Amino acid sequence: NFMLTQPHSVSESPGKTVTISCTRSSGSIASYYVQWCQQRPGSSPTTVISDDNQRPSGVPDRFSGSIDRSSNSASLTISELRPEDEADYYCHTYDSDSHEVFGTGTRVSV
Amino acid sequence: QLHLQESGPGLVKPSETLSLNCSVSGASINSDVTYWAWIRQSPGKGLEWIGSLYYSGSSYYNPSLKSRVTILADTSKNLFSLKVRSVTAADTAIYYCARGEPFVWGRGTMVTVSS
Repeated sequence: NFMLTQPHSVSESPGKTVTISCTRSSGSIASYYVQWCQQRPGSSPTTVISDDNQRPSGVPDRFSGSIDRSSNSASLTISELRPEDEADYYCHTYDSDSHEVFGTGTRVSV
Repeated sequence: QLHLQESGPGLVKPSETLSLNCSVSGASINSDVTYWAWIRQSPGKGLEWIGSLYYSGSSYYNPSLKSRVTILADTSKNLFSLKVRSVTAADTAIYYCARGEPFVWGRGTMVTVSS
């Protein structure tokens, strides 16, 4: 099976932009859709990006997703950072055996 | 609006079976356009997929848990369930149920394994 590796933490000032990477260890990142979820402290996760780059209803357009075949990675970009964006972020996708795989998680500090 | 709610005992003794239900409102678990999943999070750790259940009745499990886990659907009550057998302290976690693609998460329920 494969792993999804994320940076342990990123930190940026309010109003700035951060990008979190999610690198797939084997197989193509483009094989199956990637989703991203946000988990604020003490709360359950909520999805901020689905299908690589789609925002569920209610998610602000400051959140965007993309995939890069050359680096075999997915990325989540948060622009115009706000204090409420401070959270853990996880990427996840599934494999050909319908096994869901979660990334290692990234702590975003604002 | 889709809503998922986990329920079950918050404390389970070692070697016993952990049983949780996920009640679904706002959608039918018979839907053929999605799947239903259980995920857990040990204290201070990341998210760990436990298993998924599809409309076809097929279920898929994390290989590390497969020998101890069963996920079933109860269509009459529009819920799906999780059973983890022979639990140990390592199974202490917050357990989340979710609908797949896009994931819609339940609020989670904390389960502690202790005598």
